[in-house]
Amino acid sequence: EAQVTQNPRYLITVTGKKLTVTCSQNMNHEYMSWYRQDPGLGLRQIYYSMNVEVTDKGDVPEGYKVSRKEKRNFPLILESPSPNQTSLYFCASSFRLPGLGTGNGYTFGSGTRLTVV
Amino acid sequence: ILNVEQSPQSLHVQEGDSTNFTCSFPSSNFYALHWYRWETAKSPEALFVMTLNGDEKKKGRISATLNTKEGYSYLYIKGSQPEDSATYLCAFGTGGFKTIFGAGTRLFVKA
Repeated sequence: EAQVTQNPRYLITVTGKKLTVTCSQNMNHEYMSWYRQDPGLGLRQIYYSMNVEVTDKGDVPEGYKVSRKEKRNFPLILESPSPNQTSLYFCASSFRLPGLGTGNGYTFGSGTRLTVV
Repeated sequence: ILNVEQSPQSLHVQEGDSTNFTCSFPSSNFYALHWYRWETAKSPEALFVMTLNGDEKKKGRISATLNTKEGYSYLYIKGSQPEDSATYLCAFGTGGFKTIFGAGTRLFVKA
């Protein structure tokens, strides 16, 4: 089944304890992206990747890191989480550049609800 | 700053009602408009990707139209069913690597 797999689904952690949220897709998509969703706001882009070893900042990159060593994987790293990073996170992938409208849009992972206390 | 507005924020309808909601986006430098359906406890799923002014897309009872000159898209649901209850997101494609999402319209369909 074509899918984006995100883990974990739920995570409660303490301030300052490094964590990684994993994301893997099996559709051979070149483009991958991380979003966070907060109440009353649209999905906001954190980082994106156009291909292996090519990543760039989205609109809210502070406090996050990413890597793209393999085409299928795009982990999100929080080196020193803080309570303002409590949010619902989505990984998404796309066969073509979603901003151009080619292809069928994003395929999203199942989401990770992160709480930082 | 590019902004995508969706209205209304939420909508309550009865089963069988037809309904529609709006996505407003910048009319300049338009490349694409996406619609997604997001059910509670699931992940958003793509409904439509539209690129041309006047585009109309349909999937079952759901359809969408696009007006790029004035910067809006409508999503229509004909004969709403309880299973249509979800948040409907639109996203504006900026021509490159970014899409900007609206905050969504939350639809509640009462049986």
